[in-house]
Amino acid sequence: KAGVTQTPRYLIKTRGQQVTLSCSPISGHRSVSWYQQTPGQGLQFLFEYFSETQRNKGNFPGRFSGRQFSNSRSEMNVSTLELGDSALYLCASSLEGRRAEETQYFGPGTRLLVL
Amino acid sequence: GEDVEQSLFLSVREGDSSVINCTYTDSSSTYLYWYKQEPGAGLQLLTYIFSNMDMKQDQRLTVLLNKKDKHLSLRIADTQTGDSAIYFCAESAGYSSASKIIFGSGTRLSIRP
Repeated sequence: KAGVTQTPRYLIKTRGQQVTLSCSPISGHRSVSWYQQTPGQGLQFLFEYFSETQRNKGNFPGRFSGRQFSNSRSEMNVSTLELGDSALYLCASSLEGRRAEETQYFGPGTRLLVL
Repeated sequence: GEDVEQSLFLSVREGDSSVINCTYTDSSSTYLYWYKQEPGAGLQLLTYIFSNMDMKQDQRLTVLLNKKDKHLSLRIADTQTGDSAIYFCAESAGYSSASKIIFGSGTRLSIRP
């Protein structure tokens, strides 16, 4: 079974631009979560989607948004990029995301550099 | 507020036991997790413990939870070079794997020959 895939793996943008990152969960997984990892702030939860609906949300500004499609693939969008948005963006999927012992599988991440 | 703290670095000799410590502040945490991140890779869930448990053992891994002191530890027995990675402690106040999870800053484990 293929793992969680994220595209692109690397991205360079300039301030003020917007970016869209994509995540394909493991087949059959319906819950997709997004995280931001930076050296200064560590790993922070962005949001989680299930059945095309945002079910949980972290403490990020409205510039960060996401969506999920009927095939459970998810995209996240960051508008009006700032230098501080440079980070590794990780996507994770799980079957239903309803039980804590349900394993979340992480993708390799998309490394975004904002110049 | 919610916070999870870990020491940044740990160096152990190959074959010895590694003990990675973590403290958390949210007393309502229901699940506590240990994740492993190898260079260039995403996170891998190693193990988790429910907040009403004191200890959980899984092969070379032992998790100890002191709920009174809000202290969590991960012991890796017979540490091998393949255990070199960053280890993240995390807490969740929810009952689902996709609830908001608060991560520590990670402990970088290096193995000496």
